[in-house]
Amino acid sequence: DAKTTQPPSMDCAEGRAANLPCNHSTISGNEYVYWYRQIHSQGPQYIIHGLKNNETNEMASLIITEDRKSSTLILPHATLRDTAVYYCIVRVHTGNQFYFGTGTSLTVIP
Amino acid sequence: DVKVTQSSRYLVKRTGEKVFLECVQDMDHENMFWYRQDPGLGLRLIYFSYDVKMKEKGDIPEGYSVSREKKERFSLILESASTNQTSMYLCASSLGRDSQETQYFGPGTRLLVL
Repeated sequence: DAKTTQPPSMDCAEGRAANLPCNHSTISGNEYVYWYRQIHSQGPQYIIHGLKNNETNEMASLIITEDRKSSTLILPHATLRDTAVYYCIVRVHTGNQFYFGTGTSLTVIP
Repeated sequence: DVKVTQSSRYLVKRTGEKVFLECVQDMDHENMFWYRQDPGLGLRLIYFSYDVKMKEKGDIPEGYSVSREKKERFSLILESASTNQTSMYLCASSLGRDSQETQYFGPGTRLLVL
């Protein structure tokens, strides 16, 4: 399974866009990039996923570089409730396992 | 909305006890999963199931067993709890066997084994 690299922590001012980077240089052509987040003491929450095109939903936008070696999750207007650990995951081709790393701890500051 | 529920949010058990953790999903999903989450180790897959009465070992199945008698319910069993099984246990489900299936997680059960 391809590995991901994320910064351990980031801060963002409330109301500003939060841009969370992820490197996945060994990603295979048929592997998807998923983003989840986990608020303290709760289960992970699905945010968004994509293969090679940029994606947007009601929660966030996902920008994947053309070579697919990195991606950025964008929360357009961060709120205090967005304070969480954000996980970037590259999905293994076989089976259904998700491998969560240590993620990025995002703190939204008032 | 997909809803995955777990029987307890917090549980305290003694070493050697048999522990049952229950998970129920209400979206007719084929696949169900049990993970444990520990600081610095991320999520690790214990067992998963693609269908009723079917189970597959994940990365760390030792000391655990599972049961899936009904499609909506997936139980994790600690036959004889030990202190190194103190952890956060997370259940997840997904619709089918497509390689890009999204998994939806329950709220977690924080188990303390004394």
